Amino acid sequence: EPEVTQTPSHQVTQMGQEVILRCVPISNHLYFYWYRQILGQKVEFLVSFYNNEISEKSEIFDDQFSVERPDGSNFTLKIRSTKLEDSAMYFCASRRFSAGWADTQYFGPGTRLTVL
Amino acid sequence: AQTVTQSQPEMSVQEAETVTLSCTYDTSESDYYLFWYKQPPSRQMILVIRQEAYKQQNATENRFSVNFQKAAKSFSLKISDSQLGDAAMYFCAYRSISGANNLFFGTGTRLTVIP
Repeated sequence: EPEVTQTPSHQVTQMGQEVILRCVPISNHLYFYWYRQILGQKVEFLVSFYNNEISEKSEIFDDQFSVERPDGSNFTLKIRSTKLEDSAMYFCASRRFSAGWADTQYFGPGTRLTVL
Repeated sequence: AQTVTQSQPEMSVQEAETVTLSCTYDTSESDYYLFWYKQPPSRQMILVIRQEAYKQQNATENRFSVNFQKAAKSFSLKISDSQLGDAAMYFCAYRSISGANNLFFGTGTRLTVIP
């Protein structure tokens, strides 16, 4: 069964550095998402992406964040200048566009980002 | 904004027994979707069961069923005949039927299955 994959599984970086988190969504899916979960807190929506542009974003997704789909298979999340509070598990998800409601979001295993 | 609350950070159940995980939510919408996701250790979240708010009948998927109480804004998950493989973090999630299609999650309940 196709799965969403994410790399790396764990990323350690110094505060102020740029990081790029990578995701490969399921191949026939058209909607892509990033969520994050700070340790002990809720999984929070960051951004959704459809047709090569952002369709929704949360208040968390400020100018330090960007997303792109550079090559038709990868979906990346870039954090320009990491802060300590960016330490979290980042989940990618994808879904196949459907007019009906039964379009499940499929999640990747997550990337744990640690900012020192 | 919609909020989802899971009041049980941890639960445990004996193998073959039944356990119920609680979830409440707050919304002003009349129609929406509700989901339970399971996240085994070091694995991705997978969908366990889903419910459309306009359907009065509770969803069932094999050993998993929900008790959806729309007026009370409650959406609990019942796992029958618990198995060792059911041990995981369980997340309740809400999704609006229109507009934003992102999920709103609860904080999760960690389920331990005791052999």
